[in-house]
Amino acid sequence: AQSVTQLGSHVSVSEGALVLLRCNYSSSVPPYLFWYVQYPNQGLQLLLKYTSAATLVKGINGFEAEFKKSETSFHLTKPSAHMRDAAEYFCAVRDGSSNTGKLIFGQGTTLQVKP
Amino acid sequence: DAGITQSPRYKITETGRQVTLMCHQTWSHSYMFWYRQDLGHGLRLIYYSAAADITDKGEVPDGYVVSRSKTENFPLTLESATRSQTSVYFCASSRGQGTHNEQFFGPGTRLTVL
Repeated sequence: AQSVTQLGSHVSVSEGALVLLRCNYSSSVPPYLFWYVQYPNQGLQLLLKYTSAATLVKGINGFEAEFKKSETSFHLTKPSAHMRDAAEYFCAVRDGSSNTGKLIFGQGTTLQVKP
Repeated sequence: DAGITQSPRYKITETGRQVTLMCHQTWSHSYMFWYRQDLGHGLRLIYYSAAADITDKGEVPDGYVVSRSKTENFPLTLESATRSQTSVYFCASSRGQGTHNEQFFGPGTRLTVL
């Protein structure tokens, strides 16, 4: 069965600093992985997705993630944080046990950006 | 370009009452999903639907009922609301069952059961 673990429920960085949000997955099949962002009082928005085409995936708003099979990780990074990046971030893996497109989400990481 | 909408955005109800949360998408996506979001649990799947008249249970279906008579609508009903169903509910849709197909989320409904 697939699962996702996000390490750290809260991450705080200073504006301009590197952002690193950690995600580890467990999957018995080749995984399809996603990062979503949720701004306050809004729904989730796709940041990027890994679909086996390339291990380094670039997304919107300057974010990127690297798929590392040996580490079963898909960490999200951004070189320089902006105040507008403050939000909750969710890592998700597609449920490979069915063809329904169901996603299994991690518990989320709240990113705080300090001025 | 309405996308996916949910109504109401906020709802307060009492224990034992029936509540229906609406979800409407304009993309003619085949798949639709209902999640609840609770602190410490992330998003948990309640029900999903592969097409009109085809629905199936997710991770936490107890106490909920869904229907899908039309492709664009996927209402979620709490037949007899309980305090444990206080949560933020998100509807999502997806074009198909392909592995690359992402889910698009509505803005959410914040439900409080007193």
